[in-house]
Amino acid sequence: EAQVTQNPRYLITVTGKKLTVTCSQNMNHEYMSWYRQDPGLGLRQIYYSMNVEVTDKGDVPEGYKVSRKEKRNFPLILESPSPNQTSLYFCASSLRGEAFFGQGTRLTVV
Amino acid sequence: DAKTTQPTSMDCAEGRAANLPCNHSTISGNEYVYWYRQIHSQGPQYIIHGLKNNETNEMASLIITEDRKSSTLILPHATLRDTAVYYCIVRPPPSNTGKLIFGQGTTLQVKP
Repeated sequence: EAQVTQNPRYLITVTGKKLTVTCSQNMNHEYMSWYRQDPGLGLRQIYYSMNVEVTDKGDVPEGYKVSRKEKRNFPLILESPSPNQTSLYFCASSLRGEAFFGQGTRLTVV
Repeated sequence: DAKTTQPTSMDCAEGRAANLPCNHSTISGNEYVYWYRQIHSQGPQYIIHGLKNNETNEMASLIITEDRKSSTLILPHATLRDTAVYYCIVRPPPSNTGKLIFGQGTTLQVKP
């Protein structure tokens, strides 16, 4: 079954404690991306990757890092989380305009 | 990418057709219309896309006007599980893999 898997689904952490949200896809897609969703602001792209070792900033990249060492994985890294990064995060992989999204990670930074 | 305009919310009776409109008057010649939906904080789900011809799949039908300035997503027999936020997105051709720009969408409430 084609899927995008994110982990963890829920996470509560404290300000400044580094964390990583993992994302894995099994469709051999080249394009992967991260979005965050906030009330009233909708879904906004954080980072994207066109292929292995090729990443670029989206619309709201501040405070985030990503890596793409292998095609299937695209982790999102928060080196020093802050409360304004409390949000619902989605990973997606895409082929020819059709995007497949993970189930989301609800992150709370206190 | 062209901007889209959708009604904020709509209701539909269970079993009836749900017709969700979208205006995209500034769409350019090579841009496609995509529809996604998001069921209560789950990841968005692709529904359908089209360029200028009407399209149908197992989930829905997409009707695009001849001038391509608007479109309608049709769920032929809405069920309670179709309650979701529906997003109309205009973007470059499928061969161009890029970001999706989500607006506020239409909240569809299917009622028993």
